Amino acid sequence: QLQLRESGPGLVKPSETLSLTCTVSGGSIGSTSYYWGWIRQPPGKGLEWIGSLHYSGNTYYSPSLKSRVTISGDTSRDQLSLKLSSVTAADTAVYYCARPPHYYDRTGAFDIWGQGTMVTVSS
Amino acid sequence: QSVLTQPPSASGTPGQRVTIFCSGSSSNIGSNSVNWYQQVPGTAPKLLISSNNQRPSGVPDRFSGSKSGTSASLAISGLQSEDEADYYCAAWDDSLNAVVFGGGTKLTVL
Repeated sequence: QLQLRESGPGLVKPSETLSLTCTVSGGSIGSTSYYWGWIRQPPGKGLEWIGSLHYSGNTYYSPSLKSRVTISGDTSRDQLSLKLSSVTAADTAVYYCARPPHYYDRTGAFDIWGQGTMVTVSS
Repeated sequence: QSVLTQPPSASGTPGQRVTIFCSGSSSNIGSNSVNWYQQVPGTAPKLLISSNNQRPSGVPDRFSGSKSGTSASLAISGLQSEDEADYYCAAWDDSLNAVVFGGGTKLTVL
């Protein structure tokens, strides 16, 4: 059974880089053609797609975050990483990694989610 | 401001049928499939409907989705107290080259 688990610092200072890891267990990111995604949710607000990664290295990013975001994958460790630079308080959110139900699915459907990790940006 | 527009709230009584709408444009709902999520506060979203009207395994048939033009809807029949949650629509946007979400609708079961 595929499981995703996000991890990383719960507190990041303004202007620094937020770095999170999503560990995939019960499956592999390197042998399957999924577009693995990162989604975030500020406290009390809605969902925001950050970007998606295919194991081949193909990535898609939210236009509003594109200049600050890097999503990459380590197939040897079955891990995804998210880096968001120059963070501000507006980047405070629960960050989720997720997987779509089908190969090559970029429709915005994600049927497997991690539990999420809360990141607060504050000095 | 979300690319997809949803009403902020909806409500119904147990047993009732409730419909939540999601409005978009030709670059998202008008040309791509719509997905719906249910999120109970404090938990990760759950995929409820994919490809406009497909229920993933385990989702009760009380939940149904449809799409017409640049709008989509999620219907919940036989409303139950456990359906009280936030609901989000999502789709791919060809102009933005991105996944876009609606702002979410908080469903209250009275």
